[in-house]
Amino acid sequence: TQLLEQSPQFLSIQEGENLTVYCNSSSVFSSLQWYRQEPGEGPVLLVTVVTGGEVKKLKRLTFQFGDARKDSSLHITAAQPGDTGLYLCAGWVLQGAQKLVFGQGTRLTINP
Amino acid sequence: KAGVTQTPRYLIKTRGQQVTLSCSPISGHRSVSWYQQTPGQGLQFLFEYFSETQRNKGNFPGRFSGRQFSNSRSEMNVSTLELGDSALYLCASSYYSGRSETQYFGPGTRLLVL
Repeated sequence: TQLLEQSPQFLSIQEGENLTVYCNSSSVFSSLQWYRQEPGEGPVLLVTVVTGGEVKKLKRLTFQFGDARKDSSLHITAAQPGDTGLYLCAGWVLQGAQKLVFGQGTRLTINP
Repeated sequence: KAGVTQTPRYLIKTRGQQVTLSCSPISGHRSVSWYQQTPGQGLQFLFEYFSETQRNKGNFPGRFSGRQFSNSRSEMNVSTLELGDSALYLCASSYYSGRSETQYFGPGTRLLVL
């Protein structure tokens, strides 16, 4: 059972379309992070959301943290082929010491 | 600053063998975490080392072990390899240990067990 559930797992859309990726949990997180991973590379941190209800924007990417701090979403406006990649949400959990747990990821393909 | 480096980048082993992977963190970073990434299970935490001490461990069998040296470089070892150990092994470094720190990932070592 995944602590963080991402949906959809796969998404293929045309350039210029909008999309939303969801990250849900039954647990409360003090913060959630979004990473993007490209083939042959490790994940790169895009954003950390900390406050319930928080919205952060990174150019065409908008990240939202749910009011109850159990879920987050990533919205991409006017998707570009360069947005193609694996998007991962992650949150810190306390099990002994702190560790970072990841969702399964959303593999996004933007077709020209 | 140079990023996190991992060696080797690709590795092919056979069942029953053992393997050692290496990770050099960003200069000045003292925490190194290791993750296993597979298509089925996604990214899963293996263990974290901080100042040469293992601070946390994930739910992996004892065949998976690691260590950290005084210069913060880290190695992980997998003994008696199984087919299911085929995966991308990622390490990440940060200055401190804990959730307040951004983790910087290396490119990974892709291990194939035949």
